Amino acid sequence: QITLKESGPTLMKPTQTLTLTCTFSGFSLRTSGVGVGWIRQPPGRALEWLALIYWDDDKRYSPSLKSRFTITKDTSKNQVVLTMTNMDPVDTATYYCARYFHSSGSRRFDYWGQGTLVTVSS
Amino acid sequence: SSELTQDPAVSVALGQTVRITCQGDSLGRYYASWYQQKPGQAPILVIYGKNNRPSGIPDRFSGSSSGNTASLTITGAQAEDEADYYCNSRDSSGNHYVFGTGTRVTVL
Repeated sequence: QITLKESGPTLMKPTQTLTLTCTFSGFSLRTSGVGVGWIRQPPGRALEWLALIYWDDDKRYSPSLKSRFTITKDTSKNQVVLTMTNMDPVDTATYYCARYFHSSGSRRFDYWGQGTLVTVSS
Repeated sequence: SSELTQDPAVSVALGQTVRITCQGDSLGRYYASWYQQKPGQAPILVIYGKNNRPSGIPDRFSGSSSGNTASLTITGAQAEDEADYYCNSRDSSGNHYVFGTGTRVTVL
């Protein structure tokens, strides 16, 4: 059974740095074709892809937000960490982590965490 | 701005067929995946690749693609299919991912 769960602060002040942890089970980030991505959703709005780390440690970031992000993995702990600097009220959103899987030419985010709401307010 | 465009909302009568489209330049090269999201819940994958359904997804969900448009079709829509639907694919560079703008499906 594959599960993912996000953890981190629920309330942030502007300019602070957000650190979110995705703890997963049921798969390994050592497996070829596997990755973990972060996606967010502001209240009442659409999903937004943020970042993705692959099994081989390749990392991809949303071009519009790239300078603010760092994504890392700890394979031994089955965790992926997303750090986002200079938080602003517009970053208020539910943040999801999801497993990425690539096989037979198709790519997808096939398992998702429940999400964690992060509110940025002074 | 999003590189994948969806109609904001569609409605369908119970038991009828509805098609949701996703338009973007990258879809001419890459498959889309589709996600269903109900209020207060995390998205779930319903279609990926050429036309693949994860285990547990009813066969009334199907996917297709033509040119720069990917489509998700629900044949015989049920009340429980009322949700927001998002497409996802790689962007034009092929190096990043992007979600569509989302479509709210209402079952009448």
